[in-house]
Amino acid sequence: EDKVVQSPLSLVVHEGDTVTLNCSYEVTNFRSLLWYKQEKKAPTFLFMLTSSGIEKKSGRLSSILDKKELFSILNITATQTGDSAIYLCAVVQGAQKLVFGQGTRLTINP
Amino acid sequence: DVKVTQSSRYLVKRTGEKVFLECVQDMDHENMFWYRQDPGLGLRLIYFSYDVKMKEKGDIPEGYSVSREKKERFSLILESASTNQTSMYLCASSSRGAGYYHEQYFGPGTRLTVT
Repeated sequence: EDKVVQSPLSLVVHEGDTVTLNCSYEVTNFRSLLWYKQEKKAPTFLFMLTSSGIEKKSGRLSSILDKKELFSILNITATQTGDSAIYLCAVVQGAQKLVFGQGTRLTINP
Repeated sequence: DVKVTQSSRYLVKRTGEKVFLECVQDMDHENMFWYRQDPGLGLRLIYFSYDVKMKEKGDIPEGYSVSREKKERFSLILESASTNQTSMYLCASSSRGAGYYHEQYFGPGTRLTVT
């Protein structure tokens, strides 16, 4: 059975901390891995990772994929209250299908 | 800028009612998707459509049907709503590429409560 597992499911930290969110997967016909941020609305796209070991970076967020060990991490440095959200990991299976993890609810306290 | 809209943000229905959730996209996308999102379970695919009048079952199609009569509109139908269909419903659309992934754009979601 195809599955994507995120950990932790919930995380509460203080502003300024660095956090690491994890995503492991067992999905047939893997094409790429996506990270989304979801506040109280539509998920917004963060990164797409296709190749192992190549870090994608956007400001304080970065992500990397390990296709041998079947996982990805999303790092957020110097967290801000605006980073509070649910972070979703999804694997692209075949051409269009997405298999999602459960999501990690991140709360940043001032 | 891609826009995906859903007919309602919040909806309350009674058990046994027929429920229609509407999704409209304005980017001429071929593919459209319906997901439900539940705490601890993430997003799960209910149905998708890759063309007008075409539909494919996703991972959890039981209790749902869909309709795609026009390219821009994809409807999710609950024939007889039940309390276990209380959830957040998200619609998404994407263009159809030559075998590679095209980003899915999501609507704001409809939070459905069945009492």
